[in-house]
Amino acid sequence: SQQGEEDPQALSIQEGENATMNCSYKTSINNLQWYRQNSGRGLVHLILIRSNEREKHSGRLRVTLDTSKKSSSLLITASRAADTASYFCATDITGYSTLTFGKGTMLLVSP
Amino acid sequence: DAMVIQNPRYQVTQFGKPVTLSCSQTLNHNVMYWYQQKSSQAPKLLFHYYDKDFNNEADTPDNFQSRRPNTSFCFLDIRSPGLGDAAMYLCATSRVPGEETQYFGPGTRLLVL
Repeated sequence: SQQGEEDPQALSIQEGENATMNCSYKTSINNLQWYRQNSGRGLVHLILIRSNEREKHSGRLRVTLDTSKKSSSLLITASRAADTASYFCATDITGYSTLTFGKGTMLLVSP
Repeated sequence: DAMVIQNPRYQVTQFGKPVTLSCSQTLNHNVMYWYQQKSSQAPKLLFHYYDKDFNNEADTPDNFQSRRPNTSFCFLDIRSPGLGDAAMYLCATSRVPGEETQYFGPGTRLLVL
């Protein structure tokens, strides 16, 4: 069964608002990564958080990790229309970079 | 610019006719991955190469094979495509295994008629 599950499946917001996406997983992980995918294109790495880290920031992105709850969240602040994409969490169980992806959250940011 | 290149971007094949998808990289990364992504689904790892060592996922069908003749190139061969193999195929690389981000190509969308 799938390791990562994102929530919500779809999210629609206005420019300037914050977007929060959640990811839950089932087994212990080495690290968790977030990727973005624009429609019909490849994935772009956003951020990696290790199992011993609780929070990381990168520009307008903030990722948290709660290993006791086996969950992670991705916050995009001050969203822009260009942030419209699908966002996937991916878990690395072994530390060998064999990733298991969740189904993703489709984010629509309207001008 | 260093990158991961996939050709072609769109591939149409007939049911049962072998097809090969190609991936090349200028990043000089040691690891290359192939993922299958069906519509509105998660990318699913098929297999990966660490240098010349081939690592197949347990649930990857035998119909899917891969070749890596050198560091830069990796091929995905589908021996007898079925309608269920229609999907986006994504190639990715990483420098080394372990806590490394992956760099993805734009994907090849395969249509099986």
